[in-house]
Amino acid sequence: QKEVEQDPGPLSVPEGAIVSLNCTYSNSAFQYFMWYRQYSRKGPELLMYTYSSGNKEDGRFTAQVDKSSKYISLFIRDSQPSDSATYLCAIGSGSARQLTFGSGTQLTVLP
Amino acid sequence: DVKVTQSSRYLVKRTGEKVFLECVQDMDHENMFWYRQDPGLGLRLIYFSYDVKMKEKGDIPEGYSVSREKKERFSLILESASTNQTSMYLCASSPSRPWGAAFFGQGTRLTVV
Repeated sequence: QKEVEQDPGPLSVPEGAIVSLNCTYSNSAFQYFMWYRQYSRKGPELLMYTYSSGNKEDGRFTAQVDKSSKYISLFIRDSQPSDSATYLCAIGSGSARQLTFGSGTQLTVLP
Repeated sequence: DVKVTQSSRYLVKRTGEKVFLECVQDMDHENMFWYRQDPGLGLRLIYFSYDVKMKEKGDIPEGYSVSREKKERFSLILESASTNQTSMYLCASSPSRPWGAAFFGQGTRLTVV
C-alpha cells in the first residue's frame, strides 16, 4: 500500500464549477499537509500548507484535513481555465524528515 | 522572490556517461531534495540533504549519488547513465520550519540515449 494515495483523474469540469481533489494517507505520524500545483513543463509550486485538522482558506482555495480519517482535500471555488494543472498532495513528518507526494490529479477547466 | 535554479532545462546524454545535475537555492534553506518525476509514478525521492555534507537516501537512490559542499548547492550525479534514468528531475529546497514547505526548481528533462 502506498503511503499516500491520490486519484490520478483526469478530471474535467466547466468554468465556474467547484472542484474537489482528495488524498488519503496511511501513516498517522504525518503532521504536515500540503497541496502543490504543477503546470505543464514546470516545477510544482506550493499552494496550501496546513498542520492541523480542519479547514484553511486562501482566496478560492480551501484545504481540509481530517486526521482521524487520514484524509485531505483541496476545494477550488469558481474554477477558472487558468486552474488547469496537475495538483499534488504532499504529506510530511518533520521528526522523520519525510515528505511524500501523491501521484497527482490532472485537472482541466473548460471555458 | 524565492528561487531554486537548476543548471539545465534539457539534457541529452549517452548510456554510460557520468552526468551532473546542479541545483542552487537562494533562500538559505537547510533542506534540499532531488526527485524524479515519471508519468503514473509521481514524484519519487532520490536523495535529500538536511545540512552541508549530510545526505540521506530516499526511495530510489540506486544509480545516483549526491554532493552538498555548500549550503546553497546540491548536486545529483548519475554515475553511469542508463536509459531507464530518462526522466524529469526536480530539485527542491525547504526550511526546517515549517517542514515540507518546499520550493521547486523548473526541472531538468534528461534523455539518455
